[in-house]
Amino acid sequence: QVQLQESGPGLVKPSQTLSLTCTVSGGSISSGSYYWSWIRQPAGQGLEWIGHIYTSGSTNYNPSLKSRVTMSVDTSKNQFSLKLNSVTAADTAVYYCASAIAVAGYNWFDPWGQGTLVTVSS
Amino acid sequence: EIVLTQSPGTLSLSPGERATLSCRASQSVSSSYLAWYQQKPGQAPRLLIYGASSRATGIPDRFSGSGSGTDFTLTISRLEPEDFAVYYCQQYGSSLPYTFGQGTKLEIK
Repeated sequence: QVQLQESGPGLVKPSQTLSLTCTVSGGSISSGSYYWSWIRQPAGQGLEWIGHIYTSGSTNYNPSLKSRVTMSVDTSKNQFSLKLNSVTAADTAVYYCASAIAVAGYNWFDPWGQGTLVTVSS
Repeated sequence: EIVLTQSPGTLSLSPGERATLSCRASQSVSSSYLAWYQQKPGQAPRLLIYGASSRATGIPDRFSGSGSGTDFTLTISRLEPEDFAVYYCQQYGSSLPYTFGQGTKLEIK
């Protein structure tokens, strides 16, 4: 079964770019029709969908973050990535990667990665 | 954007009791495209229910989901000690962005 694992710096300075990668194991990122998503959760708060990328490379982003987000997929490494620029302390959160079937009505998130904490601080 | 409002914010119950958690949407969720997740401290959310009422693989039958339109409910028939956690609803209908409720914390009384 597919498993996801986030990786990347745990500390990012204000105004810089947050970069995270999600490695997919137990299956090929390019097989089947899946949305590869990023979701974040500030400490003690709820969940926010950041956006997703389809295997073809097409993307959809949350309008609240759209101006600062870029997602990409690297099929040769079985990975997909998130870049969030111009970060502030408000971007401090646990960042999760997750997948969803890319068919209308099947877009629930399962599985999820374990999450990685990113702190924005100088 | 569809706003999901969960109630109550905190629910205090004892093992063996029945839990009823509510999720109300600001507009109709198309075709009951609503999911429920359980999250324990330090863990990622786990899918419990999709399509408003279908249990995910491996989820015990004490968990059930119901509802349509704007009102949805997660019911846990008899609480086990491991069920005390935070529960989130999420809509994945045709209009992006996908959104989550703010969560209901189920705590031991």
